[in-house]
Amino acid sequence: DGGITQSPKYLFRKEGQNVTLSCEQNLNHDAMYWYRQDPGQGLRLIYYSQIVNDFQKGDIAEGYSVSREKKESFPLTVTSAQKNPTAFYLCASREGSHTGELFFGEGSRLTVL
Amino acid sequence: SQQGEEDPQALSIQEGENATMNCSYKTSINNLQWYRQNSGRGLVHLILIRSNEREKHSGRLRVTLDTSKKSSSLLITASRAADTASYFCATALSGDYKLSFGAGTTVTVRA
Repeated sequence: DGGITQSPKYLFRKEGQNVTLSCEQNLNHDAMYWYRQDPGQGLRLIYYSQIVNDFQKGDIAEGYSVSREKKESFPLTVTSAQKNPTAFYLCASREGSHTGELFFGEGSRLTVL
Repeated sequence: SQQGEEDPQALSIQEGENATMNCSYKTSINNLQWYRQNSGRGLVHLILIRSNEREKHSGRLRVTLDTSKKSSSLLITASRAADTASYFCATALSGDYKLSFGAGTTVTVRA
């Protein structure tokens, strides 16, 4: 079955620690995205990548970093510089067309203790 | 920045009734998309309507788009308990790889 796999589903972190959220897709999609969702709010774009070895900042990139070394993988690192990292993180992918639908993973919930 | 805004924020209906929610946006778009999110899960794409289309159907879903008013509506007919979820509109701008989401409408279908 083709899809997007995010791991871990739940993650707890102490203040001052960096954590990396995994996102893997086997849909052969060119573009991948990371969104953040806070309770009762919409999705805000953190980073996106249109092709391998290239990525752009979204609306709230401060305190986050990404890499795109392989087409299938787009990991997100939440650094200690992110002031309020507790949130639900969603990874998505899209085919080459930049106007088509997004396919989402099941999300990773990060809680800072 | 959020391009789309849904209205109402929350909606509670009886099973079998219709549910209507609206989305307004600010700038010209290439297309508008609707997604569903069950609690604690990822989003699922429902329907995409292009800027040159006025209405689109998919099963029990009907989407309209009025570009002159910069607004769209999603109608779910004959609702079921399984339709309980949050619904989001998202706008795609021409030449832009980003999709901007609204804050969503939470729909509760009572048995």
